[in-house]
Amino acid sequence: DTAVSQTPKYLVTQMGNDKSIKCEQNLGHDTMYWYKQDSKKFLKIMFSYNNKELIINETVPNRFSPKSPDKAHLNLHINSLELGDSAVYFCASSQGPRSEQFFGPGTRLTVL
Amino acid sequence: ILNVEQSPQSLHVQEGDSTNFTCSFPSSNFYALHWYRWETAKSPEALFVMTLNGDEKKKGRISATLNTKEGYSYLYIKGSQPEDSATYLCAPIFGNEKLTFGTGTRLTIIP
Repeated sequence: DTAVSQTPKYLVTQMGNDKSIKCEQNLGHDTMYWYKQDSKKFLKIMFSYNNKELIINETVPNRFSPKSPDKAHLNLHINSLELGDSAVYFCASSQGPRSEQFFGPGTRLTVL
Repeated sequence: ILNVEQSPQSLHVQEGDSTNFTCSFPSSNFYALHWYRWETAKSPEALFVMTLNGDEKKKGRISATLNTKEGYSYLYIKGSQPEDSATYLCAPIFGNEKLTFGTGTRLTIIP
């Protein structure tokens, strides 16, 4: 059983399009996250939700909007995609904001 | 901006040798430190979560120590094996409850 899953695994799209990445966890965790792995391979947090409420919102363009329909899901919607959005995006979950995190397999987004 | 530094950036170790590397972070407003192991083409996996000054954790051949007063943690690997090749990330949590990842130490075990 996959603990944290993301779809799609690969996403290739044109500049200006709107796309979504989905994340689901079956661990019963309360907290979920989105990270971006930048061009230098660093992991940077974008958003965190605890019990469906936004608790961390880093300085990301407002073209990025997370949506948490329930505790098990945290989706990432990106409007008007730009070349610089190309990266690997990781979803993660944890029991609480300070507990060990379980990562999804990542979604490689390529904007052409 | 919270400065989390890991050294060395990369390391080559002969199979069977032991090794260690460092994570340093600001000591103020510290809550916990995570260590993650990240193999190429996979996702980060949690190794340890440490909170108290003087904490020592062990998992098999890997262990870690924590000094919250001076702001550093060491990760040790005893008798390195090829499967230990990975990037090791430390990530302290401060009062804002946000995990801040270090730049990682890339470890390569030479058979």
